[in-house]
Amino acid sequence: KQEVTQIPAALSVPEGENLVLNCSFTDSAIYNLQWFRQDPGKGLTSLLLIQSSQREQTSGRLNASLDKSSGRSTLYIAASQPGDSATYLCAVTQGGSEKLVFGKGTKLTVNP
Amino acid sequence: EAGVAQSPRYKIIEKRQSVAFWCNPISGHATLYWYQQILGQGPKLLIQFQNNGVVDDSQLPKDRFSAERLKGVDSTLKIQPAKLEDSAVYLCASSLGPSGSLYEQYFGPGTRLTVT
Repeated sequence: KQEVTQIPAALSVPEGENLVLNCSFTDSAIYNLQWFRQDPGKGLTSLLLIQSSQREQTSGRLNASLDKSSGRSTLYIAASQPGDSATYLCAVTQGGSEKLVFGKGTKLTVNP
Repeated sequence: EAGVAQSPRYKIIEKRQSVAFWCNPISGHATLYWYQQILGQGPKLLIQFQNNGVVDDSQLPKDRFSAERLKGVDSTLKIQPAKLEDSAVYLCASSLGPSGSLYEQYFGPGTRLTVT
């Protein structure tokens, strides 16, 4: 059974700092990995999707890496801003299934 | 392109009452998902439809939860009777399905259910 773990559970940083969020999964036979952002009381916004054959994806100040063999992914946020404050969720899909298995998320607070 | 629509956005009911949620996926998306997100947890899949057929409902509490996707478009999720532990956000998502190689899912805003 696939399990996804995110560390840390919460993170508070000053504005402008670069930061890394971590995600690990127990079964390396994944099809893809997605990073989502969730604002309070809102749904999920997809940030980046990495296919199992890829090593990383970039979008603006965000960079996500994937090491499938070790069961790890990181989300790097450069020059953090107060508007980045949200909960970040990592999720994986297994080969043959479209079901997303989520971690519990990392709650990020960027202080002005 | 319109996103995934859900209604209502909020619902408060007493335990043992019934409630229904509605979802309209992105046009052309064959696969529709319902997830339950309890406070402080990641979303958990309840049921997955491909067109109007059920692909996975292994984590749906079938004694009280039911879902349907008539005509392969809109979907409704029902809880009857509700329990206190059903308090959660219910998220609907859709994807292109097998015709889309990435299986990327797009989420609606969710319905926040409070059972008192």
